[in-house]
Amino acid sequence: GAGVSQTPSNKVTEKGKYVELRCDPISGHTALYWYRQSLGQGPEFLIYFQGTGAADDSGLPNDRFFAVRPEGSVSTLKIQRTERGDSAVYLCASSPLAGTDTQYFGPGTRLTVL
Amino acid sequence: GESVGLHLPTLSVQEGDNSIINCAYSNSASDYFIWYKQESGKGPQFIIDIRSNMDKRQGQRVTVLLNKTVKHLSLQIAATQPGDSAVYFCAENRNFNKFYFGSGTKLNVKP
Repeated sequence: GAGVSQTPSNKVTEKGKYVELRCDPISGHTALYWYRQSLGQGPEFLIYFQGTGAADDSGLPNDRFFAVRPEGSVSTLKIQRTERGDSAVYLCASSPLAGTDTQYFGPGTRLTVL
Repeated sequence: GESVGLHLPTLSVQEGDNSIINCAYSNSASDYFIWYKQESGKGPQFIIDIRSNMDKRQGQRVTVLLNKTVKHLSLQIAATQPGDSAVYFCAENRNFNKFYFGSGTKLNVKP
């Protein structure tokens, strides 16, 4: 079946602009995760959804970052007033259930803030 | 602070040899671990997992060993192939919902 998909694959924006990154999880997976990966580093947890609600958003770096999952499937990560330091690959993962279930990752969106 | 880390940032092996990638963790409460493989431009790909009530688990050409006494995890790849070249991450589940990743080990397989 189809895996996790993310769009766009690449996004270039200017400092101060607003961006939205989209994640389509594997069908039927109730848990959805967003991670950020800087060059040469492992993925860093941002936020996790169980269904429609954000169960844990403790990894969001500041209030410029926000994510939604209104219908319990597709999720959008929103970044306001982007800064150059936001440049990274943003990864989405989904799993059948929350907790100790294997997470399946999408290919990521590479965000470049000029 | 607590962290998941790797001993070696880069590992070079000859094709056909066995590879061993190591990972140290510091949170004794972690109960679930996953090894991921990440190729350039792609998201991490699940390889194998292990729960804390086990000390060894085998998959196809891969074996994960968990030593809870010294908080050490290793990934063994048998008969390494050029297609195994990638960055390998161990991920540690601490707080039920979150995974913490190490910085990764780059595996280079020489033909």
